Order: sequence, then C-alpha cells, then structure tokens
Amino acid sequence: AQSVTQLGSHVSVSEGALVLLRCNYSSSVPPYLFWYVQYPNQGLQLLLKYTSAATLVKGINGFEAEFKKSETSFHLTKPSAHMSDAAEYFCAVGSGFQKLVFGTGTRLLVSP
Amino acid sequence: DAGVIQSPRHEVTEMGQEVTLRCKPISGHDYLFWYRQTMMRGLELLIYFNNNVPIDDSGMPEDRFSAKMPNASFSTLKIQPSEPRDSAVYFCASRTGQGRVNTIYFGEGSWLTVV
Repeated sequence: AQSVTQLGSHVSVSEGALVLLRCNYSSSVPPYLFWYVQYPNQGLQLLLKYTSAATLVKGINGFEAEFKKSETSFHLTKPSAHMSDAAEYFCAVGSGFQKLVFGTGTRLLVSP
Repeated sequence: DAGVIQSPRHEVTEMGQEVTLRCKPISGHDYLFWYRQTMMRGLELLIYFNNNVPIDDSGMPEDRFSAKMPNASFSTLKIQPSEPRDSAVYFCASRTGQGRVNTIYFGEGSWLTVV
C-alpha cells in the first residue's frame, strides 16, 4: 500500500519568505509523486510531478520539489512567498498510473 | 480545450432526497475518477472508470452511492437516499491512458450540503 504524510496542516509565512511544505511517502515500489494546489472554491491543479527522471523537479509559479529516496521525502519549496500563493497544497503518490493517494493537505497562509 | 466540467456547482438538499452529480471529462481522456473531499477525511477516491468501465469502486462508502459512465463524455454519481454525513465536495477528474504517468485533471467540484 502507498501513503503520504504531510507534516503540518497549516504553515504561515510572511510575503517574501521561504516556503517549505513537507511530504513524506511510503511505497513498496518506486513511486511517482505529485504536488497539487487548490485555491478557494476551485478544483486541484498540478504544480509538479516526479516520474523517476531528475530528482529536483521544477513546477509552475516558482515552486520546486526534491525527491530524496533515503529520506522518503518530497518536500515542496519556493524561495520567496507571494500573497497569491495562499492556498491548500496536496502531496500525492502513485505507482500504477491509475490511482493517486493524496495526503491530508497543508494550508499555506501568507501575511503581508 | 475545455477542462473537466461538473454540475451542479452547488446543491443543497434535504435528507432522504436523491442527489445526482454530473461530469463531462476532457475529450479524449479514457480514465475518469470521482473523489470526495471532507475536512475529516481529506480527499478520497470513490471510484474510477477506464473506457467507461468501472475498474475500482472500493472507495464507494455504501450502497447508497452509485456511479455510471454510459459513454465516454458523461458520468454520474448518485446518492440515494442522501444523508447529512454525505455533505462534502465531490470532484470529478480525468486523464489520458497514454503513457504511464500522466496528469489527472480535476473539475471545480460539486459542493453538496444535505440538511
């Protein structure tokens, strides 16, 4: 079985500060890993995905994530937070391409 | 290209009533997923279809829930009878089956409140 754990249901940062959202996964097979973002009253949209190519993955809106097998982690970072980054972020893991298992989400709050 | 289209966007209904949620996947996508999102349980996969055939419905909570996909461009999720604990956001999503790791695209959700 596969699972992901997102540490921290809420993360607060100031505008311009580093964003770090943590995700740890569990998988008995090589995983595919995803970060999705959900803005208020909207569906989820893909930020980035890891598919066993480069371990450092760059996504949209300046976000990136690094796959670390030794730590079973796939943390999401952005060097400088913007007010528009305030949203809920979901980490997800899949193996076969049909099913994704999502984490419980981390709400990012950005203050001026 | 149009994204995944869901209707209704919002529905308020009384306990015991039948609820039907509708989804039009992205044209050409042959996988369709229904997810439910609640504060308590997060995002749960309810069921998914491949080429209109249900593949895995193990996430469907109980017999009150049913889903159909009569053709490649339409799917329904039905709750009969509805209960207050069914209140949630229901997302439909789709993806192409070409390649191993393709993005799943989500609709904007159907916000269901059962009173």
